[in-house]
Amino acid sequence: DADVTQTPRNRITKTGKRIMLECSQTKGHDRMYWYRQDPGLGLRLIYYSFDVKDINKGEISDGYSVSRQAQAKFSLSLESAIPNQTALYFCATSVQGSYEQYFGPGTRLTVT
Amino acid sequence: GQNIDQPTEMTATEGAIVQINCTYQTSGFNGLFWYQQHAGEAPTFLSYNVLDGLEEKGRFSSFLSRSKGYSYLLLKELQMKDSASYLCAVSPSGTYKYIFGTGTRLKVLA
Repeated sequence: DADVTQTPRNRITKTGKRIMLECSQTKGHDRMYWYRQDPGLGLRLIYYSFDVKDINKGEISDGYSVSRQAQAKFSLSLESAIPNQTALYFCATSVQGSYEQYFGPGTRLTVT
Repeated sequence: GQNIDQPTEMTATEGAIVQINCTYQTSGFNGLFWYQQHAGEAPTFLSYNVLDGLEEKGRFSSFLSRSKGYSYLLLKELQMKDSASYLCAVSPSGTYKYIFGTGTRLKVLA
């Protein structure tokens, strides 16, 4: 089984809808991250969490919110989706003291 | 500002050697990372450099010069499965975050 899972893997939604992307991990890592990837722009950090009570904004947090429900779960919400949020979204984890990050398989989100 | 530059695309032949360069400007430095990403898949960790010099790991090596803000990833004995994007990332000092470059798409031709 995959150590970092993301649901859904693909989603098409309409402008203005609320949507939640979920990430779960069985690696026992305390740190979790949400990135989006756009062609020509690379991976950009949206939010990160170093433990359940620690949530931090990344480079591009506007229009997004997150919830760290447990050490193993980190959800990303788009309160009112807009077309320029169409992207590939990745969740990643790392353990305290290590810089290596482990990525989930990604969620391809299309906002029409 | 913080900036990472790497070439957009490279092409090489199976069995050859290819060097992918990365230059960076960041506020401090905790380390430089290389990730491999096949199309439509998750990035996977390749290497980590924090001190100057060459780190070798099988067919892949990574070099760092902190004074020049420069790194390269060297891939030897190229195989078709090495066709992928290679992402350079830097962790600025005082953080455990990455700043990613836009990636270099490598095509390996038979």
